[in-house]
Amino acid sequence: QSVLTQPPSASGTPGQRVTISCSGSSSNIGTNYVYWYQQLPGTAPKPLIYRNNQRPSGVPDRFSGSKSGTSASLAISGLRSEDEADYYCATWDDSLSGRVFGTGTKVTVL
Amino acid sequence: EVQLVESGGGLVQPGGSLRLSCAASGFTFSSYWMTWVRQAPGKGLEWVANIKEDGSEKYYVDSVKGRFTISRDNAKNSLYLQMNSLRAEDTAVYYCAGEYSFGGLLDYWGQGTLVTVSS
Repeated sequence: QSVLTQPPSASGTPGQRVTISCSGSSSNIGTNYVYWYQQLPGTAPKPLIYRNNQRPSGVPDRFSGSKSGTSASLAISGLRSEDEADYYCATWDDSLSGRVFGTGTKVTVL
Repeated sequence: EVQLVESGGGLVQPGGSLRLSCAASGFTFSSYWMTWVRQAPGKGLEWVANIKEDGSEKYYVDSVKGRFTISRDNAKNSLYLQMNSLRAEDTAVYYCAGEYSFGGLLDYWGQGTLVTVSS
C-alpha cells in the first residue's frame, strides 16, 4: 500500500489542461523533493520532473510540477494524444528510509 | 548512448531463488547510486532497493528485507539482485535504474525483466 495517493484516472480533450495530484505526509513530500515519471503502455518509466518543478532536457514545457506542503501536482497543458500514459509521483520517505511511489494516474485523451 | 540491460528473470517456484543482473553502459556507472524497482502485472511501481556508488550503503523496502540482497561490481559495470525465499507476491517486472544523487531522480531505466513465482 503506497504512502503517496494519486487519483486513479484523469482525462481531457486535445489542447486541454490536466492536473494530477499527489498527496503525502511530513515524512516524505513535506521534507523531500518530488519527482514525476511517465510510463507509456508496455514501456519502462521515463523521468518527467525532478526537484519538484524542474524538467530534464527533452521534456516539453507543457509538463510542469509544483509542490506545497505535503502535496504535489503535475500539470499537462495543451494535452496531446501521445500523453496517454500512466503517471507516477515519487519521493524519499525519511520514516521508512526508502523511496516511495504514488499509486499512479492513468491519463486518457478523449 | 546510455543502456541498462536486465537479465536473469524467469519462472521459479515459491521458496526458490533467482539472481537478476543489470549491465550498464554509456555513463559513469561508479558515480551513480543504483536502484531496483518492480511492477506487478497491472499494478503500480514499487521501489525495491538501492545501493550507494561504492556499495557501502544499501536500503530495502520492508517486504524484501532478509530475502533480497542488492550488490554491484563497478569493475564490470554491473548491478545485481539476489532474490531468495521467493513468494507469489514477488511476481513482477524488475527494472534497474540509475540515480545520480541519493533519493534523487531515476535518470536511466532498463527495459525490465519478468520474474514469475508460481508452482
